[in-house]
Amino acid sequence: DSGVTQTPKHLITATGQRVTLRCSPRSGDLSVYWYQQSLDQGLQFLIQYYNGEERAKGNILERFSAQQFPDLHSELNLSSLELGDSALYFCASSVTSGINTGELFFGEGSRLTVL
Amino acid sequence: GESVGLHLPTLSVQEGDNSIINCAYSNSASDYFIWYKQESGKGPQFIIDIRSNMDKRQGQRVTVLLNKTVKHLSLQIAATQPGDSAVYFCAENQAAGNKLTFGGGTRVLVKP
Repeated sequence: DSGVTQTPKHLITATGQRVTLRCSPRSGDLSVYWYQQSLDQGLQFLIQYYNGEERAKGNILERFSAQQFPDLHSELNLSSLELGDSALYFCASSVTSGINTGELFFGEGSRLTVL
Repeated sequence: GESVGLHLPTLSVQEGDNSIINCAYSNSASDYFIWYKQESGKGPQFIIDIRSNMDKRQGQRVTVLLNKTVKHLSLQIAATQPGDSAVYFCAENQAAGNKLTFGGGTRVLVKP
């Protein structure tokens, strides 16, 4: 158990809909990262927050947004869903803001299926 | 459990043998590298890391080798066990960024 909690574990929805994925980082971790793992793209970095502020951005679509709340949990919002958005979405956390100063702890992921 | 389902290269290893997993990275500016293990139905789990000022680092039953000249990273697992069956990813990070870029992954299957 990494200490990172993600909900829901599974989500099935229709095209055009909007969903919110939630992540609670490990106790004491200030950084939260979101990754997308799909069949043809592997693990793709989406976005990072550190202590409530956006710190780094990857290939995140404009239809997607995220935020980190004062209690450090984070939400990833996916809107106008398309079939290609079906994937595993992972949240990871770390103590520091820089990746090269420590490892990331990943949750077990939220599997999104868009029909 | 669920599988990622990626079309990954697969390494079949006899239990007890050593495994070597290779990874080519693309960015010569990358200065920090990590190996992750992903078991079916779980998130990636940190195995070992190495910084660019080193060429070898050892952990428990694992060794990571870094060859910056050819931008190559390898993970060696000694005395491979059934519990080592998983997908292994290398990841690289540039000094100036916080974006950990993952490689495509290698599936390791341990045969009893």
